[in-house]
Amino acid sequence: EIVLTQSPDFQSVTPKEKVTITCRASQSIGSSLHWYQQKPDQSPKLLIKYASQSFSGVPSRFSGSGSGTDFTLTINSLEAEDAATYYCHQSSTLPWTFGQGTKVEIK
Amino acid sequence: QVQLQESGPGLVKPSETLSLTCTVSGGSVRSGSYDWSWIRQPPGKGLEWIGNIYYSGSPKYNPSLKSRVTISLDTSKNQLSLKLSSVTAADTAVYYCARAGSSSFYFDSWGQGTLLTVSS
Repeated sequence: EIVLTQSPDFQSVTPKEKVTITCRASQSIGSSLHWYQQKPDQSPKLLIKYASQSFSGVPSRFSGSGSGTDFTLTINSLEAEDAATYYCHQSSTLPWTFGQGTKVEIK
Repeated sequence: QVQLQESGPGLVKPSETLSLTCTVSGGSVRSGSYDWSWIRQPPGKGLEWIGNIYYSGSPKYNPSLKSRVTISLDTSKNQLSLKLSSVTAADTAVYYCARAGSSSFYFDSWGQGTLLTVSS
């Protein structure tokens, strides 16, 4: 199966700061990489589909980039409501797999 | 707007079979545009895809669970179900149902999840 490795595992950030989370795939997955946000005691929510396409209703400060094996989720000008764990997910090859998650804390 | 709602017993004994149901409203499980997945998350840990089902296709399972999992659709009730046999404490998790496009494969709608604890 395709292994997704996110870095960092944890990030503590001040409001308005820029956040960058990376996701590396164990083999090339083209652009079949999606990003989700999960707040405590909530289900995940789709942020970015196919590496760089924003999902409907997602604030413009969230953006994604990358292809092949290396992908990035960027949060420009972090807001307090962005405190959450972020997961990447690949849909290139079954079984679908997720990264281990990156927890973003607000300082 | 589609809504998904999981339901289950909450507590199952080791070696028993867990059964969960996901009721879909605002959409149809018979839609050829979507497939329906089960995903789980052990407490404090990450997400694991269990398997999915498409109305006119065969279910697909994660090889790590394939020998113990059955996913099915009940079109009369607009529900999908999950059965996981021979459970152990390692199966304790929040179980989510989620919808993905049948040709797009990202999860655009999720249920709120149901916690299942395996304990004697």
